[in-house]
Amino acid sequence: DIQMTQSPSSLSASVGDRVTITCRASQGINNYLAWFQQKPGKAPKSLIHAASSLQSGVPSKFSGSGSGTDFTLTISSLQPEDFATYYCQQYESYPLTFGPGTKVDVK
Amino acid sequence: EVQLVESGGGLVQPGGSVRLSCAASGFTFSNHWMNWVRQAPGKGLEWVANIKQDGSERYYMDSVKGRFTISRDNAKNSLYLQMNSLRVEDTAVYHCTRGNAHEIWGQGTLVTVSS
Repeated sequence: DIQMTQSPSSLSASVGDRVTITCRASQGINNYLAWFQQKPGKAPKSLIHAASSLQSGVPSKFSGSGSGTDFTLTISSLQPEDFATYYCQQYESYPLTFGPGTKVDVK
Repeated sequence: EVQLVESGGGLVQPGGSVRLSCAASGFTFSNHWMNWVRQAPGKGLEWVANIKQDGSERYYMDSVKGRFTISRDNAKNSLYLQMNSLRVEDTAVYHCTRGNAHEIWGQGTLVTVSS
């Protein structure tokens, strides 16, 4: 199985900050990497697929990059609605696996 | 509006069974792989199973193989998860999702396995 790790597990940030979350796969996954945002009590929301392709309707402050084993999600200017938990997931091979999540909260 | 709506969750005893349903609308259901993803209370996301557009391929996480069965009815735009021999550790909110990159999520249905 491909193991996904995320760093940091949590971070505290202020409105306007640039935030970067890292996701690492235990083996190469090409660009079969997706990112999700989840707010408490809500279903996850898809942000990015294929490592860097923004889902329709997702604001351009979100961006993704990487290939192979190392990936990043960047929020260019954090807004109040962006405080949430972020997950990465590989879909290169079965079982599909998620990272453990990164919680972004208010500094 | 593109939408997925799950139903069928509830309280079930260990060893029991339950069938989850997911009703799709707003898109051509038969064109997409479909998945079940679960989230135990206070925990992260865990992929459970998926099924190809025509039902000819199905994949499962190891801990549910032989106990859970994913199926679909394209004529009814519906996805199902038959869950047998349930364990306490299967307690979770179960979401149906569209595509292996999970571009669309349902709100989920809670399955609680407890005596």
